[in-house]
Amino acid sequence: EIVLTQSPGTLSLSPGERATLSCRASQSVGSNYLAWYQLKRGQTPRFLIYGASSRATGIPDRFSGSGSGTDFTLTISRLEPEDFAMYYCLQYGGSPWTFGQGTKVEIQ
Amino acid sequence: QVQLRESGPGLVKPSETLSLTCTVSDYSIKSDYYWGWVRQPPGRGLEWVASIYHTGSTYYMPSLKSRLTISVDTSKNQFSVKLSSVSAADTATYYCARHRIAVPFDYWGQGILVTVSS
Repeated sequence: EIVLTQSPGTLSLSPGERATLSCRASQSVGSNYLAWYQLKRGQTPRFLIYGASSRATGIPDRFSGSGSGTDFTLTISRLEPEDFAMYYCLQYGGSPWTFGQGTKVEIQ
Repeated sequence: QVQLRESGPGLVKPSETLSLTCTVSDYSIKSDYYWGWVRQPPGRGLEWVASIYHTGSTYYMPSLKSRLTISVDTSKNQFSVKLSSVSAADTATYYCARHRIAVPFDYWGQGILVTVSS
């Protein structure tokens, strides 16, 4: 089972700042099948990035994904008020699919 | 666009079986997608539980496999999950979602909170 470790646990930033979230895998993720999701309390998870760097339909270009192998990054170029939330990475290149433990992006 | 909605009891007693159904609307469950369940215990992260293809091929989280059954009813455009011998550790919000091999969970249901308690 591939273990994903996200860092930092919490990111305290202000609107307009850049957010950089890390997701590190315990072994190489096949085909770089790494995705990112945004979760807010009481809402449906929002699908952001797949294949490490492809934006899902309707996702603004301030969200970008990068990385390969075992190290992946989600970058939010300029934080909007609605971006403050929990973020999870998911690897789907190996069985079973596994999620990271999450990074909270909070308003400083 | 595709809509998914979970249904089932919100309270299950310890040692009993948790049963949930996901109804898919505005999209055929017989399309080239897999249909799965993901759960989130209170205050914790997400965990993939199980997935199924409309032909009946099933995939389970290994740590839960001995207690899990996932099934599909193409006539009702629904899929279901049963988790037996539940304990408090199975208390979670359960989401249903669709995915492909190369594109993970893109559409999700709203989620249903299931509490295991006597």
